[in-house]
Amino acid sequence: RKEVEQDPGPFNVPEGATVAFNCTYSNSASQSFFWYRQDCRKEPKLLMSVYSSGNEDGRFTAQLNRASQYISLLIRDSKLSDSATYLCVVTASSSGNTPLVFGKGTRLSVIA
Amino acid sequence: ETGVTQSPTHLIKTRGQQVTLRCSSQSGHNTVSWYQQALGQGPQFIFQYYREEENGRGNFPPRFSGLQFPNYSSELNVNALELDDSALYLCASSLVQGAMGYTFGSGTRLTVV
Repeated sequence: RKEVEQDPGPFNVPEGATVAFNCTYSNSASQSFFWYRQDCRKEPKLLMSVYSSGNEDGRFTAQLNRASQYISLLIRDSKLSDSATYLCVVTASSSGNTPLVFGKGTRLSVIA
Repeated sequence: ETGVTQSPTHLIKTRGQQVTLRCSSQSGHNTVSWYQQALGQGPQFIFQYYREEENGRGNFPPRFSGLQFPNYSSELNVNALELDDSALYLCASSLVQGAMGYTFGSGTRLTVV
């Protein structure tokens, strides 16, 4: 079983739609959780951190369920510019010296 | 504040050759990690360097090796290249202490033919 599993998609949604991505992780010792965004042939960029209390950044809402080892990302009012691959990422520590463990990513295409 | 820079951006090598990829970390960051991203996959951790020592390694063979220099820049060396080594190689810098924050370079795309 992979450490971080995501539905690879693609998710093809119209502009303005709401779309949700899910991710599960296998290491119960994981401490920090993130969503990264990766545009085609570019490097991953941090979209947002994920907390148990849930957190929101504009149209993006992330949620963590430690008991189920499940992470989600909700995008409301999708824009064409949201088209990208979304990578679910976990790590075993809250400091910067433990490796990031990436899922394969979920591809989103927002269509006009 | 400068970000993470990697060189070269693209590279084509022949199977069996050796390659060196370079990374300059973000100003103030003392830790460098290397990741391999094959097509259609998420990045996979290769190894990490802190204070010029390797302090973590993923599931990669010994022909993948690295260095970190006193200015925190780093090199990734791959010997005896195989076709499956074709990938995007990403360097990320971070601070060991303090808040989480990895900054990725734009990567080196290696093609082995």
